[in-house]
Amino acid sequence: GIQVEQSPPDLILQEGANSTLRCNFSDSVNNLQWFHQNPWGQLINLFYIPSGTKQNGRLSATTVATERYSLLYISSSQTTDSGVYFCAVSTGGGNKLTFGTGTQLKVEL
Amino acid sequence: DTAVSQTPKYLVTQMGNDKSIKCEQNLGHDTMYWYKQDSKKFLKIMFSYNNKELIINETVPNRFSPKSPDKAHLNLHINSLELGDSAVYFCASSQAGVQTQYFGPGTRLLVL
Repeated sequence: GIQVEQSPPDLILQEGANSTLRCNFSDSVNNLQWFHQNPWGQLINLFYIPSGTKQNGRLSATTVATERYSLLYISSSQTTDSGVYFCAVSTGGGNKLTFGTGTQLKVEL
Repeated sequence: DTAVSQTPKYLVTQMGNDKSIKCEQNLGHDTMYWYKQDSKKFLKIMFSYNNKELIINETVPNRFSPKSPDKAHLNLHINSLELGDSAVYFCASSQAGVQTQYFGPGTRLLVL
């Protein structure tokens, strides 16, 4: 099956710093989503981005489908950005999402 | 309004018991999913239903049985619970032709 790797596995930032999270995948995809799992465990949709670039406030994402990677940019980080960021992809029918192992982000004051 | 809801939020039970988790979505979606998140936070799909029909059935013990009474509901029944079933179970939904999946708040199951 498709492999999804995320880096870095852990990241500690000072409030106000910028960061880039990476997701590499091993096959063509028809769905790529970024999620934020907050400290209470809730999975929050950030982006649906199988290709191209999108922005939502301080967050933006870029997927280069031909090179099989996606990047999530967080600018001016805040403590509320803390949690785990997951990339998930699907390929073929059924829309079965395969999740990466996540990036654990901690933003400190 | 909660888009995807799950009950209960927490479930603590003894080994060998049978339990059910319920999921409801009010998004009008026709596809629903169950995912399991283990203690290392790894998320893996278990099942998917489209219009009450099972379309994805991953390698899951047959102690786990999903049931979809209608396209807005997908329940998960677990027989003879084992310690290794302790995890967070997430329900999700999407609309056919639109790939984005929306997740419920999760049900934290602890088997003692």
